[in-house]
Amino acid sequence: QVQLVQSGAEVKKPGSSVKVSCKASGGTFSSYTISWVRQAPGQGLEWMGRIIPILGIANYAQKFQGRVTITADKSTSTAYMELSSLRSEDTAVYYCARVEGWELRYWGQGTLVTVSS
Amino acid sequence: QSALTQPRSVSGSPGQSVTISCTGTSSDVGGYNYVSWYQQHPGKAPKLMIYDVSKRPSGVPDRFSGSKSGNTASLTISGLQAEDEADYYCCSYAGSYTFVFGGGTKLTVL
Repeated sequence: QVQLVQSGAEVKKPGSSVKVSCKASGGTFSSYTISWVRQAPGQGLEWMGRIIPILGIANYAQKFQGRVTITADKSTSTAYMELSSLRSEDTAVYYCARVEGWELRYWGQGTLVTVSS
Repeated sequence: QSALTQPRSVSGSPGQSVTISCTGTSSDVGGYNYVSWYQQHPGKAPKLMIYDVSKRPSGVPDRFSGSKSGNTASLTISGLQAEDEADYYCCSYAGSYTFVFGGGTKLTVL
């Protein structure tokens, strides 16, 4: 049974960075793409980027290019999403999801990141 | 990369059918048969309901179906039930290993 368990809620100051983790269990971690999606309060889902752990190659949505870094540690089956230069508009729940084929099949529970001075 | 266009809300009575549209471009919805749909209840993570335009994961009732014509994909829910009340999001592969979501549709079961 595939499970994605994310790190806990974070409160950050504007201008700082946040790093959210996503630990996978069940199945072969390296073989599947991990995507990151965020959802601002009362808003829709927004795809941020993805990584293929076996290759270590990441792709990002144009909107986040230069500000987001997605990495993966195969030894611990954990993916990470780091967002820098945080602003209040980055306050959101951040989800990781395992991609199978071309769909986000399994989702983490979400991590609330609050950006506030 | 613009979000796919969905109606903000739809509604239906128990037992009825509703259809949610998702309009994109030839660079996403129209260019690939990789449209998926997600159901999200308040405070919960999204759940995959449809993938590859019209396929259902195991465990998803056959009341849920998907289709696509040109740049518009659709999700149809037949035999509406109270528990179907949720937000629904479409998502499409958009080339270069990127994805784009729709803005979401709130389904109200009257």
